[in-house]
Amino acid sequence: GQNIDQPTEMTATEGAIVQINCTYQTSGFNGLFWYQQHAGEAPTFLSYNVLDGLEEKGRFSSFLSRSKGYSYLLLKELQMKDSASYLCAVNSWGKLQFGAGTQVVVTP
Amino acid sequence: DGGITQSPKYLFRKEGQNVTLSCEQNLNHDAMYWYRQDPGQGLRLIYYSQIVNDFQKGDIAEGYSVSREKKESFPLTVTSAQKNPTAFYLCASSLLAGDDTQYFGPGTRLTVL
Repeated sequence: GQNIDQPTEMTATEGAIVQINCTYQTSGFNGLFWYQQHAGEAPTFLSYNVLDGLEEKGRFSSFLSRSKGYSYLLLKELQMKDSASYLCAVNSWGKLQFGAGTQVVVTP
Repeated sequence: DGGITQSPKYLFRKEGQNVTLSCEQNLNHDAMYWYRQDPGQGLRLIYYSQIVNDFQKGDIAEGYSVSREKKESFPLTVTSAQKNPTAFYLCASSLLAGDDTQYFGPGTRLTVL
């Protein structure tokens, strides 16, 4: 079966760093996506990893280890607007399997 | 402006009625998808279409139907057979099926009374 796990909620202070972990067990793997979703809005694409290692994109970075079935999204220099849900999604045989999302709360 | 549109943003229907949610894209994407999002759960795939005039069932297709007569449009009908239709429905598209990044529309929140 397919299983994608991420923490339900994380709280951090403005200006700090937060790391959101995602572990997965899927029957096929062809890349891992991270999306950001504000309440009641569409998910927006943040990053894509298909090879092991770190991908950096401004304040956001994403890491993948295929052998460990593990990824993380790193948010640096947190801003209030980063308060949102962060979705981990695995491409399994051409279809995306989503985790339940991690709600990040940024406090002043 | 290129993008994906869904209408309406909020929709209310009485139990037992069919309802159709619209999804249009002008990105020239081949593939389109419908997901359902419920509180505390990940997005779940209802139907997807890799090309015009073709579509496939996703993980939770029961009680739903779709059509793909035009590349730009992928409407979803929620039928009375769907036992728990109240949810947030998201449409997405990607340039090609399979590996490409999916881009999402703004969603339709359906409430069945």
